[in-house]
Amino acid sequence: DAKTTQPTSMDCAEGRAANLPCNHSTISGNEYVYWYRQIHSQGPQYIIHGLKNNETNEMASLIITEDRKSSTLILPHATLRDTAVYYCIVEQGGSEKLVFGKGTKLTVNP
Amino acid sequence: EPEVTQTPSHQVTQMGQEVILRCVPISNHLYFYWYRQILGQKVEFLVSFYNNEISEKSEIFDDQFSVERPDGSNFTLKIRSTKLEDSAMYFCASSQRQGRDGYTFGSGTRLTVV
Repeated sequence: DAKTTQPTSMDCAEGRAANLPCNHSTISGNEYVYWYRQIHSQGPQYIIHGLKNNETNEMASLIITEDRKSSTLILPHATLRDTAVYYCIVEQGGSEKLVFGKGTKLTVNP
Repeated sequence: EPEVTQTPSHQVTQMGQEVILRCVPISNHLYFYWYRQILGQKVEFLVSFYNNEISEKSEIFDDQFSVERPDGSNFTLKIRSTKLEDSAMYFCASSQRQGRDGYTFGSGTRLTVV
């Protein structure tokens, strides 16, 4: 069973915020939420991760609900170069293996 | 910004032939990985490598596959006898520390088995 559920695809206008949801209702207390993206068959790229608290870096913000059953990745000002497949991954610490799902294909439109 | 370099970008090989995919990880990274992505499918973990030995491998990584760090800079994936179903994009990645947030992936090698 998949640990995460993401919409198959989303669209966003250039310059607007892109809000990508992820449901992880069975997340356990020691599991982190990681976000990666893959731009057109290139290697995946790390974006951000979090455990409980909201996180922000130069690429994005991660909002995790208080019950931790869902999260949202926010790209504050989406550009055409942000068009990619975005993966939400929920895993424990320790092992460093990444398990990718199908992700959300985000298309940023001019 | 430091990069993970993979060569070649595209390799075509005949079924049954051996193939070696090459990767140069970021110089101060200690953890090394191979993933693959069959066209149109998910990115799949193959193997992780640390301190000159395999630390974890998937069911895909059977006896036909091997990895090696022959010198201080290269990290290779060898497929001994390629099959048609080995056709995929192969991604190398490296990380300075253990954990899922520190990965840097290469641009991949597209392997086509004919």
